[in-house]
Formats: sequence, C-alpha cells, structure tokens
Amino acid sequence: AQKITQTQPGMFVQEKEAVTLDCTYDTSDQSYGLFWYKQPSSGEMIFLIYQGSYDEQNATEGRYSLNFQKARKSANLVISASQLGDSAMYFCAMRTSGTYKYIFGTGTRLKVLA
Amino acid sequence: GAGVSQTPSNKVTEKGKYVELRCDPISGHTALYWYRQSLGQGPEFLIYFQGTGAADDSGLPNDRFFAVRPEGSVSTLKIQRTERGDSAVYLCASSFSIERNTEAFFGQGTRLTVV
Repeated sequence: AQKITQTQPGMFVQEKEAVTLDCTYDTSDQSYGLFWYKQPSSGEMIFLIYQGSYDEQNATEGRYSLNFQKARKSANLVISASQLGDSAMYFCAMRTSGTYKYIFGTGTRLKVLA
Repeated sequence: GAGVSQTPSNKVTEKGKYVELRCDPISGHTALYWYRQSLGQGPEFLIYFQGTGAADDSGLPNDRFFAVRPEGSVSTLKIQRTERGDSAVYLCASSFSIERNTEAFFGQGTRLTVV
C-alpha cells in the first residue's frame, strides 16, 4: 500500500533558523516522485520541491532542500533561514508510476517566531 | 489567469440538494485531479482524468459522487443528495501529463458547506 507519514503535527522555529520537517513513505514501486507543498491559511496548495526516486542528488530550490534517504524511505524538507511568511501547513506527497495519483500525508503546521 | 481556476469559491447548500463544482485546469494539462480536504487533514484523493476519461475513480466515497470532463479540459464534480458529512474543501489540480512525475498545480478550492 502507498502511504505517507508525517509524525510532527506542529513545529516551532525561530526566525532565521533552519527547520526540518519529517516525512516517511511506503511503496513497493521502484519509480516514484516525492513532493512537498505549502498551504498557507489562504488555502492554496503551493508546490515547493520535487525529488525523483532515481535522482542521486538531493533536490534544492532556494531556501528549500529535500533530504532524501532512499534506504530509510524518508524525504525530509529542510527550510533554511526561516521567515515569518513560512508559517503554514506543509504536506509531503508521493506519486508512483503504478498508480499516478498523489498521496498526501496529514501535514505539519509550522509556526515561525519573531 | 494561467492557474487552475475553481468555481464557486464557496457553496452553502441544504442537505439533500444537488451541487456542481467546476474546475478549469491549466491550458495544455492533460491530467486533472479532484481531492477533498477536511479541516486539519491532508488532501484525500477522489478521482483523476487523463484527457476525457476517468482513469481512476477509486477515491469517490459512494455513488452520490460523480465527475466528468467531456472535452478534456474543464471538469465538473457532481454531488447528489448532499449530506452534512460532505462538507469540506474540494480541491482540483492539474499536471502536464500522467506519464511524467511532475508536480500538480492546485486551484484555490471550493469550500462546500452542507447545512
């Protein structure tokens, strides 16, 4: 079965500090993609970063990086130099070549403190 | 606009009524997805289309829910005999194609409230 697990319901981080949001996944497919989305209080789902299962290097997009550990089936999001605007819900998602649908975790609510 | 557009943004309906939710995907995107998100939860898959056909409707909760995409662009999610438990935000997303592992782009959602 395909599953995404996010074990941190809520996280706090001081402004300008780095924070890691955890994500583990379960799939028997060899080809899959891992995604992180941000959902501010306005409700829109904003795509942040993508990691393919065959990518050998960790993905980076500006202040976002994905710590991909394939053997552990983890895909943690690292946000560097946190900003107040980073306060939001963050969802980890997976899409496999077998099912094509995006499976989401339950999310982590991040609060950045001034 | 260039993004995914959903209408209406809010819908309040009485229990037992019929509702239609509309999604306009990004032009050129062949894959279209519907999700439902309850408060404090992650998006829950309902159905996705590749072109005009529903490729996977395994997430539709029961036969009161139905979705169409007759011309391979705009999609409508239809809910018959609405129940209070159907209250949620319904999200639509589109991606370039099913075959590629690319990100899906989401609309702002339709907040459905059944009273």
